[in-house]
Amino acid sequence: AQSVTQPDIHITVSEGASLELRCNYSYGATPYLFWYVQSPGQGLQLLLKYFSGDTLVQGIKGFEAEFKRSQSSFNLRKPSVHWSDAAEYFCAVGALEGGGNKLTFGTGTQLKVEL
Amino acid sequence: DADVTQTPRNRITKTGKRIMLECSQTKGHDRMYWYRQDPGLGLRLIYYSFDVKDINKGEISDGYSVSRQAQAKFSLSLESAIPNQTALYFCATSDYGGRNEQFFGPGTRLTVL
Repeated sequence: AQSVTQPDIHITVSEGASLELRCNYSYGATPYLFWYVQSPGQGLQLLLKYFSGDTLVQGIKGFEAEFKRSQSSFNLRKPSVHWSDAAEYFCAVGALEGGGNKLTFGTGTQLKVEL
Repeated sequence: DADVTQTPRNRITKTGKRIMLECSQTKGHDRMYWYRQDPGLGLRLIYYSFDVKDINKGEISDGYSVSRQAQAKFSLSLESAIPNQTALYFCATSDYGGRNEQFFGPGTRLTVL
């Protein structure tokens, strides 16, 4: 069975600083990987996804993530954080079933941005 | 209008009551999912459905049931609510294919007293 680990429960960065959120996954085959963001009181919004090809993927809001098979990682990065990026971030791995993705989520990383 | 809607958005109920949470979507997706979110635990899959005639249990289905009334509607029921079912519940939809992400509704905050 697949699993996802997000080792950092909380992260605080200053506005304008760079950001890296860690994600490690366990899955027997080539994974489908996703990063979602949840703003307070909101549902989840997709930031980016990886399924094959170029290991560096670009997403919305200036985010990117790099897939590293050797490290079983899919870390999320942003060069310069904005105060509006304060939210909870979830990494997920998808297992193909019935033509759709059955997602397993990590426990999330809460990002606080200091002005 | 939102593509995935959930009703109600907030609900407070008492132990032992039957509760139904509803999800509707206008995205035309076949696949629909119910998750619960608890602090520190992330999202866990309760039930999922790949079409109207296909219902599958997820990771934590005990105490829950679902109904897929139509392609666009997927309801989650708690037959006899208990306090540890207090959580944030999300419905999601996706199109056919592993490369397709899931789209989430705004969530229903359920409190069982």
